[in-house]
Amino acid sequence: EAGVTQSPTHLIKTRGQQATLRCSPISGHTSVYWYQQALGLGLQFLLWYDEGEERNRGNFPPRFSGRQFPNYSSELNVNALELEDSALYLCASSLGWDQPQHFGDGTRLSIL
Amino acid sequence: GNSVTQMEGPVTLSEEAFLTINCTYTATGYPSLFWYVQYPGEGLQLLLKATKADDKGSNKGFEATYRKETTSFHLEKGSVQVSDSAVYFCALYAGGTSYGKLTFGQGTILTVHP
Repeated sequence: EAGVTQSPTHLIKTRGQQATLRCSPISGHTSVYWYQQALGLGLQFLLWYDEGEERNRGNFPPRFSGRQFPNYSSELNVNALELEDSALYLCASSLGWDQPQHFGDGTRLSIL
Repeated sequence: GNSVTQMEGPVTLSEEAFLTINCTYTATGYPSLFWYVQYPGEGLQLLLKATKADDKGSNKGFEATYRKETTSFHLEKGSVQVSDSAVYFCALYAGGTSYGKLTFGQGTILTVHP
């Protein structure tokens, strides 16, 4: 069974640009979650999508947004990139909101 | 709000030593508790879980018991290997207004020497 897959592996952008990160969940999983792992800040919850709808979001500004497609894959968009957005962005999926979350290997976003 | 506190790291052990990584939590209600492991350059892997008081999660020689009276979920392994070197995260899921959100501890770096 294929795990959670994320693309790209690495992404390099400059300040003010926009970044799009992609995630494909484990087959059969309908919930997708996004987390930010910044150096020294630990893992912070960003967004949760289920059945195509945003169900919850963490304490991040509106320039962090995303969507979930009918096939349950998801995109995370970050607008007006700032230096502090440099981090590893992890996607996770689960069978349902109360089921364990399984993570992908992440996208490393570097802002120059 | 919900929070997870892990023991200060990093932890350095010799192969075959006993491992304990302490984890305590603060949460409303009855959270589910998890241990995740992150190997260098990779994402998080679910190591074990427990969903109610006195449950014991176990996997790959690792164990942790959900202790509600002490709000703890300490990770233990009787004999560590070099391949266990990684970062270990304790996490909780409490639901309610935190639906969908895992709350993580700060992570503990484990290095095992031959």
